[in-house]
Amino acid sequence: NAGVTQTPKFQVLKTGQSMTLQCAQDMNHNSMYWYRQDPGMGLRLIYYSASEGTTDKGEVPNGYNVSRLNKREFSLRLESAAPSQTSVYFCASSEVLVYRVGTSANNEQFFGPGTRLTVL
Amino acid sequence: QKEVEQDPGPLSVPEGAIVSLNCTYSNSAFQYFMWYRQYSRKGPELLMYTYSSGNKEDGRFTAQVDKSSKYISLFIRDSQPSDSATYLCAMSEGGNNRLAFGKGNQVVVIP
Repeated sequence: NAGVTQTPKFQVLKTGQSMTLQCAQDMNHNSMYWYRQDPGMGLRLIYYSASEGTTDKGEVPNGYNVSRLNKREFSLRLESAAPSQTSVYFCASSEVLVYRVGTSANNEQFFGPGTRLTVL
Repeated sequence: QKEVEQDPGPLSVPEGAIVSLNCTYSNSAFQYFMWYRQYSRKGPELLMYTYSSGNKEDGRFTAQVDKSSKYISLFIRDSQPSDSATYLCAMSEGGNNRLAFGKGNQVVVIP
């Protein structure tokens, strides 16, 4: 089991260029997420997908698009990169998005190793 | 005011010391409380998970939740150099997996 994999590991872009970050999971999870992590800001949710065929905006969606290609894969696209998008991007997955309130069940999110993106 | 506040540190301690980390939060609807550990240049991994108030112990790690004070803590006993990492608190209201993260607290355990 590879868990959650991300490609590429590193990327340098010029302002205005576009690129797609790839994410795949082999745990048969229904839900997948994209986060960005910036110094002093913690992890912030960009987009998420509750299940195959659905996507929703998170806390900081502007400048990004996503595609849930199938149950395994969830990609993040930057159409016109800006220096403010310099960050470390993490993909995560969990068994489900919605679970019964009041249960102590742990619906853990599993994270990939991250993509370090620099926009010049 | 950010939903979750966590002092980013860094925190340096000698090997064998007790490490104490904490987060405060403003959303009284949070019911699920987590601590993630993140090694340098790696993704976060779940370390401890607590539902509602109380304590939870797992080996050298103890997580405490005080919902009345909106305060959670993580204690690491007999700290080891391998505990050197960034520790992030995360919280959820439950019902869905939308997590609110703290900024993370860098811990360095000196041999």
